[in-house]
Amino acid sequence: EAGVTQFPSHSVIEKGQTVTLRCDPISGHDNLYWYRRVMGKEIKFLLHFVKESKQDESGMPNNRFLAERTGGTYSTLKVQPAELEDSGVYFCASSQVQGSSPLHFGNGTRLTVT
Amino acid sequence: QKEVEQDPGPLSVPEGAIVSLNCTYSNSAFQYFMWYRQYSRKGPELLMYTYSSGNKEDGRFTAQVDKSSKYISLFIRDSQPSDSATYLCAMTRFNAGKSTFGDGTTLTVKP
Repeated sequence: EAGVTQFPSHSVIEKGQTVTLRCDPISGHDNLYWYRRVMGKEIKFLLHFVKESKQDESGMPNNRFLAERTGGTYSTLKVQPAELEDSGVYFCASSQVQGSSPLHFGNGTRLTVT
Repeated sequence: QKEVEQDPGPLSVPEGAIVSLNCTYSNSAFQYFMWYRQYSRKGPELLMYTYSSGNKEDGRFTAQVDKSSKYISLFIRDSQPSDSATYLCAMTRFNAGKSTFGDGTTLTVKP
């Protein structure tokens, strides 16, 4: 089976610009997650979709971040406007069953805000 | 205080050594325990997944969970240079979606 794919792999933008990250989960996985790792810190949860619905968005840092999953397939994470502290690696993961099945991660999008 | 604390490392061992990686946690609601391996510029990949206290073995890898002490470990036997990576522990509550991760331990196995 194809794994979780993320686009782009690397993005460099200026402060104040907008960036949109995309994630295609494993086919058939209803659960889709976004995580982020900033320099020197642990991987932190951002939000969780079940199909097209936001199940938990408690990790979203502020309203500059907008995640969507139209149709319950791929997801996008938009940062607008980007700030310096948004730099990091954004990971998408998917799973079959919430909680009791482990996560399958993509290779991440490395975002650099200058 | 973080919910999950992981021994920081880095660790450097000779090929063939036994490696022990450890995490402690504070929230007794965690029920599922995972170890992920992450190579540079790649996403974490699942190594071990356990639910109950005790040991689970898969080849050269053994995951150990002690819920009474809130302590989990990953042992790697006969370590190989290809095991050089960052190892992440992660935990999930029952019927919850999100996982909570440790900071990761970077392991280098020298030939």
